[in-house]
Amino acid sequence: GAGVSQSPSNKVTEKGKDVELRCDPISGHTALYWYRQSLGQGLEFLIYFQGNSAPDKSGLPSDRFSAERTGGSVSTLTIQRTQQEDSAVYLCASRDSGDTQYFGPGTRLTVL
Amino acid sequence: SQQGEEDPQALSIQEGENATMNCSYKTSINNLQWYRQNSGRGLVHLILIRSNEREKHSGRLRVTLDTSKKSSSLLITASRAADTASYFCAPFGRYKLSFGAGTTVTVRA
Repeated sequence: GAGVSQSPSNKVTEKGKDVELRCDPISGHTALYWYRQSLGQGLEFLIYFQGNSAPDKSGLPSDRFSAERTGGSVSTLTIQRTQQEDSAVYLCASRDSGDTQYFGPGTRLTVL
Repeated sequence: SQQGEEDPQALSIQEGENATMNCSYKTSINNLQWYRQNSGRGLVHLILIRSNEREKHSGRLRVTLDTSKKSSSLLITASRAADTASYFCAPFGRYKLSFGAGTTVTVRA
């Protein structure tokens, strides 16, 4: 079946602008994660959604970052007033009833 | 932290050779997972080993887990050029994976 999809695949924006990144998880997966990966680094956990429970936002680096998950499916990560240090690849993953996470191809964000 | 730390940071081998990389972590886990990443984009799940397992095989991959030492290893046998990638271990706790910086493997033809 279809995997996790993310859009856009690349986003170039100017410092101070807001951006929205989208994630479509695998159908039926109730858990959804956002990660950030800077060049040559590991993955930094940002936020976790599980069903109707309150999300775990403990990884969000500042209040400029927020995320929503509508109808338990599609998720949007919003970064307000982008800064150059926000430049990274943003990865979304969904998880099945087991513990395996399935990753999307990522969105490469470049803040000029 | 629960974060996995891989060693070595980089590995260069000849096609056909075996590649071994190690992972250490600090807290108790439910399982430990290994992922591969090509070209800095999406990660692909390779193998999951549960905390009560000591060794697991999948094709040319062999994973070991020693919970007493809080360490794991990933062995890729008979490497191919297509195995060139970054490999990450990710200890799984309550519901989160924690990724380290990874091991970059280069397989030379």
